[in-house]
Amino acid sequence: EVQLVESGGGLVQPGGSLRLSCTASGFTFTTYEVNWVRQAPGKGLEWISYISTSDSIIFYADSVKGRFAISRDNAENSVYLQMNSLRVEDTAVYYCATDTRQPNWGQGTLVTVSS
Amino acid sequence: EIVLTQSPGTLSLSPGERATLSCRASQSVTKYLAWYQQKPGQAPRLVIYDAINRATGIPARFSGSGSGTDFTLTISSLEPEDFGVYYCQQRGIRPPWTFGQGTKVEIK
Repeated sequence: EVQLVESGGGLVQPGGSLRLSCTASGFTFTTYEVNWVRQAPGKGLEWISYISTSDSIIFYADSVKGRFAISRDNAENSVYLQMNSLRVEDTAVYYCATDTRQPNWGQGTLVTVSS
Repeated sequence: EIVLTQSPGTLSLSPGERATLSCRASQSVTKYLAWYQQKPGQAPRLVIYDAINRATGIPARFSGSGSGTDFTLTISSLEPEDFGVYYCQQRGIRPPWTFGQGTKVEIK
């Protein structure tokens, strides 16, 4: 079964850091480009980052540029999102998804930034 | 950056009725437009990709049309399980993905 699983979410104080993981099973993750998308409570979907298969091409939304860093470890079949200098407005469910004609999405992991 | 504008914001319909959802892009996205359905507490579910293709497992009552800047998702006869929020999404270069603000399809 093709599956993406996000992990690493939780409660963190403003200014803190978290590292999210997106791990694939059931397919060769190394050949897929990956996006991170987030959804704040009661809001719509917001694309935040992209990484190519070899991590040679990386994009960020302006809202997270300079604070978040995307990376991948193909040997681990995983993509990561390092989130630093977190703000209250970063509170959201974070999803990873393959950048394909029919993307596979994970179930999401909740990040709550609050004091 | 390409902006996607969806209309209407909310669609109140009864089961069996036809639903027509619109998505307009600020510049051409050629055919690279997808539609997602989302229900509370769930990840988005792909419905249509490349403007006109039904995703795997999506019933034939769902259809997509359009190209360039104007796109439509049609649900020919609403079933109870079709209610939720629908998002359009474009696959571009910079940024790779953008989403519309969503259309809520609710039971009248």
